[in-house]
Amino acid sequence: QVELVQSGAELKKPGASVTVSCTASTYTFTDYYVHWVRQAPGQGLDWMGWINPYTGVTHYALKFEGRVTMTRDTSVSTAYLDLSRLRSDDTAVYYCARGDSSDYSAIGYWGPGTLITVSS
Amino acid sequence: DIQMTQSPSSLSASVGDRVTITCRASQGIRNDLGWYQQKPGTAPKRLIYDASSLQSGVPSRFSGTASGTEFTLTISSLQPEDFATYYCLQHNSYPLTFGGGTKVEIK
Repeated sequence: QVELVQSGAELKKPGASVTVSCTASTYTFTDYYVHWVRQAPGQGLDWMGWINPYTGVTHYALKFEGRVTMTRDTSVSTAYLDLSRLRSDDTAVYYCARGDSSDYSAIGYWGPGTLITVSS
Repeated sequence: DIQMTQSPSSLSASVGDRVTITCRASQGIRNDLGWYQQKPGTAPKRLIYDASSLQSGVPSRFSGTASGTEFTLTISSLQPEDFATYYCLQHNSYPLTFGGGTKVEIK
C-alpha cells in the first residue's frame, strides 16, 4: 500500500513563508513524480505543480510562479513545498500526491493533507 | 487553460439509485481524465483512471465512459458509503484542472 506522510498543521502570519513536507514509504521515492494540490476550506481542488524526485526538475502552475518552490531530499525520500509571501487566501489543506508510473501527470495516491492557516 | 465543467454541482439520491455525474472539457483531452471521491476531512481517492479504467480495489459499481470531450462517472447502485463529493481531473495539458465537484447527498 502506498503511503505518503505529511508534516503537521501550521499557523502562519501574512507575509511569512511555510514549508510542507511529504515523505514516501513503501515504494521507491525517485520512481514517481510528486504533485502538490491545495483545497481552501469548503472549496474545490487546485493543482500547484509537480517535482520529479529523480532529477529535481519542477513544473509549477503559472498562478503560483514566483511564490512556490518544490524541492526534494532523496536521502530521506521526502518532497517539500515552500510557499512564500503568504496571504489569507492561502489558507488551505495542502496535499502531496503521487503521479502514475505510466503517465507522471496522472495523479494516483494522495497524502492525508496538511492544514496551513494564514492569519494575523 | 482547459476548463472542466462538472455537473450537477450537487444531487440527492437514495440507496440503490443509479447516479450519473458528467464533466465536459473545453477542448480535447483524449482520455486523460480521472475521477476522485472525497469524503469530509479526508484526501481524495481515485476511482477511475484513463477515463474508463477501474482503479484496483474500487467496487465495480463505479464506471467511467468517454465520448469526445464529455466524460461520465456512473454509480450503478448507490451505497451508503458512496455519499461524498466527486471530482474529475484532466491531466492532458498544464495546468492540470479539476471539475468543480459534485456533492452526492442522501435523499
